[in-house]
Amino acid sequence: DTGVSQNPRHKITKRGQNVTFRCDPISEHNRLYWYRQTLGQGPEFLTYFQNEAQLEKSRLLSDRFSAERPKGSFSTLEIQRTEQGDSAMYLCASSPGQGPYSEAFFGQGTRLTVV
Amino acid sequence: TQLLEQSPQFLSIQEGENLTVYCNSSSVFSSLQWYRQEPGEGPVLLVTVVTGGEVKKLKRLTFQFGDARKDSSLHITAAQPGDTGLYLCAGARQTGANNLFFGTGTRLTVIP
Repeated sequence: DTGVSQNPRHKITKRGQNVTFRCDPISEHNRLYWYRQTLGQGPEFLTYFQNEAQLEKSRLLSDRFSAERPKGSFSTLEIQRTEQGDSAMYLCASSPGQGPYSEAFFGQGTRLTVV
Repeated sequence: TQLLEQSPQFLSIQEGENLTVYCNSSSVFSSLQWYRQEPGEGPVLLVTVVTGGEVKKLKRLTFQFGDARKDSSLHITAAQPGDTGLYLCAGARQTGANNLFFGTGTRLTVIP
C-alpha cells in the first residue's frame, strides 16, 4: 500500500498524559500537513512541512503541541498534558508539492479520546 | 467564521434520486477540491477544479467551479447506497498554498 499511513488508529489517554502520533506520507511527496477534525466539522489546518522544515503553524497549535519531520520523511505530532478538548481525529496528508493545486492525500487518521 | 459554507448540512434521499450539494464562499480560491469521507476514515480526494466555470465528471458525479471561483457544486445522478458519506469541499486560497480551508461538510444518506 503506497498511501499515507497513520498510527495508532485509535488512542485513549487520561487527561494530563502525553501522546505521540506518527504519519508516514506517500514516499515521493515532500509536503506534509497535519489537520484536526472534531465531530461534525470539516478538518482544520494545524501545521505544514516542506521536507524537514516546518513552514507554517496555525494558531490552533498551542504550545502543548509539537510536530517534527526530522529527515523529511515521516512526521510525529506530540500533544503534552492532554486536555479533554484535544479529543478529535488527527489527520495527516501529503502532497507532491510540484503541481500548483495543493492536492492533498489523507491518511486514515488517529482518533484521540482524552478521558 | 467558516470560510466555506456547504449546504445542505444533511441530506437523506432514496436510491435513484438526484441531488446537488453546494459549497459557497465570499472569497476567491485558486483551486477547489471535493472529498468524500466515511466514518472513522480520512477524506478521499474525488476531484480538483482549477478554472472558473470548469465542469468535471466522474461517472455519476458532476462537479462545477463557479465562474468567479468562489463557489462550487457537486451533482449526483441516480444516487446509490454506496454514495453515502460525508462530502467535503476544500479550497486553496492561492496557487501552491500551504493549507486547505475545508467546508462544513454535507452528510449524505442514500436509502436503499
